[in-house]
Amino acid sequence: EVQLVESGGGLVQPGGSLRLSCAASGFTFSTYSMNWVRQAPGKGLEWVSYISGSSTAIYYADSVKGRFTISRDNAKNSLYLQMNSLRDEDTAVYYCARETAGCCSDYWGQGTLVSVSS
Amino acid sequence: DIVMTQSPDSLAVSLGERATINCKSSQSVLHSSNNKNFLGWYQQKPGQPPKLLIYWASIRESGVPDRFSGSGSGTDFTLTISSLQAEDVAVYYCQQYYTTWTFGQGTKVELK
Repeated sequence: EVQLVESGGGLVQPGGSLRLSCAASGFTFSTYSMNWVRQAPGKGLEWVSYISGSSTAIYYADSVKGRFTISRDNAKNSLYLQMNSLRDEDTAVYYCARETAGCCSDYWGQGTLVSVSS
Repeated sequence: DIVMTQSPDSLAVSLGERATINCKSSQSVLHSSNNKNFLGWYQQKPGQPPKLLIYWASIRESGVPDRFSGSGSGTDFTLTISSLQAEDVAVYYCQQYYTTWTFGQGTKVELK
């Protein structure tokens, strides 16, 4: 059974940092591209970042470029999102999402809440 | 970035009636190399992650009831629920994956 479990969310002050993790199981992690998608409270879905299976291709949304860093450790079946210089508008539930064959996402984690507030 | 615009923002439908959600992309998501539309539809219920319903604009994901169908090509797409059930009350999102993902703003489907 495919499982994606996010962790690392919490309350942080503006300008602070946080590192999110996503533990994957039930599939060959290294063969799948992965994405982070966030959802602000009561709002829609916003794509944040993409990483290919071998980490050779990485992309970011303009809203997080230069502040967030996506990475993965295929030996540990884990995906990460290092978030620096956090802003109020980064407050959201952050989901990791498996990308299937250059398409869309067939599996999502349950999400982890990041709250940026003083 | 490709902008996805859904309409309406919300709709109320009686049980057993048809629900239709539209999605328009700011540029074509039809890829000439494989003649596929890089368009998906998701359903999200409160407190849950999105669930993939439709991909390549019209292919139903495994396990999705056949009352859900997707159509359209190029820049204009439609998600249809042929006979609304109580469990279909949710927010629905379209997504393009022609370039890095973008989502529509969502359409909330409620019971009338």
